[in-house]
Amino acid sequence: DAGVIQSPRHEVTEMGQEVTLRCKPISGHDYLFWYRQTMMRGLELLIYFNNNVPIDDSGMPEDRFSAKMPNASFSTLKIQPSEPRDSAVYFCAFTGGVISAGELFFGEGSRLTVL
Amino acid sequence: GIQVEQSPPDLILQEGANSTLRCNFSDSVNNLQWFHQNPWGQLINLFYIPSGTKQNGRLSATTVATERYSLLYISSSQTTDSGVYFCAVEETNSKLTFGKGITLSVRP
Repeated sequence: DAGVIQSPRHEVTEMGQEVTLRCKPISGHDYLFWYRQTMMRGLELLIYFNNNVPIDDSGMPEDRFSAKMPNASFSTLKIQPSEPRDSAVYFCAFTGGVISAGELFFGEGSRLTVL
Repeated sequence: GIQVEQSPPDLILQEGANSTLRCNFSDSVNNLQWFHQNPWGQLINLFYIPSGTKQNGRLSATTVATERYSLLYISSSQTTDSGVYFCAVEETNSKLTFGKGITLSVRP
């Protein structure tokens, strides 16, 4: 779905390195979400924003994770320093805007591998 | 927090067969959605269905909010229906909680 663009699509890095994942949602959205998917834990909500303001970051696993939304069309999820257990697919998703009346739309995800 | 249970965990069908996927949830919800994750990992929204019944082609969904369950029906299954089906519920503030998913394999 072209409603949200994520980059990079794949990232392989070494333990200890900083990782930045990017998300560009469709204009006019209301909420923006970051999810993480692993085989062991399934889909987990990390953090979400409403009108660029963080609403709930209780799902962020630890201080190594941070997320920002400097404007309505861009958000980042940063991991510093990265660890092998951070390996997962990270999804950005949104609700609201011209194509959503409450439905959640996902980007294609960023697959992170930390060696 | 709210609990979301999906069943069965795995399902194997012959092409052309029908199936019913179930989602139970432990508390009242504002909204419920069904998603399909295809073998390439893409998550697609199928239905936004806090209550009632909706149909989209070979797929339909019913949510009985008072009894805290939802059903996803797939008729005349095709190999392209393979993947993982997730149910997700919203308690408040647009925050969705996902079930563990149902893995469907449709064989030709």
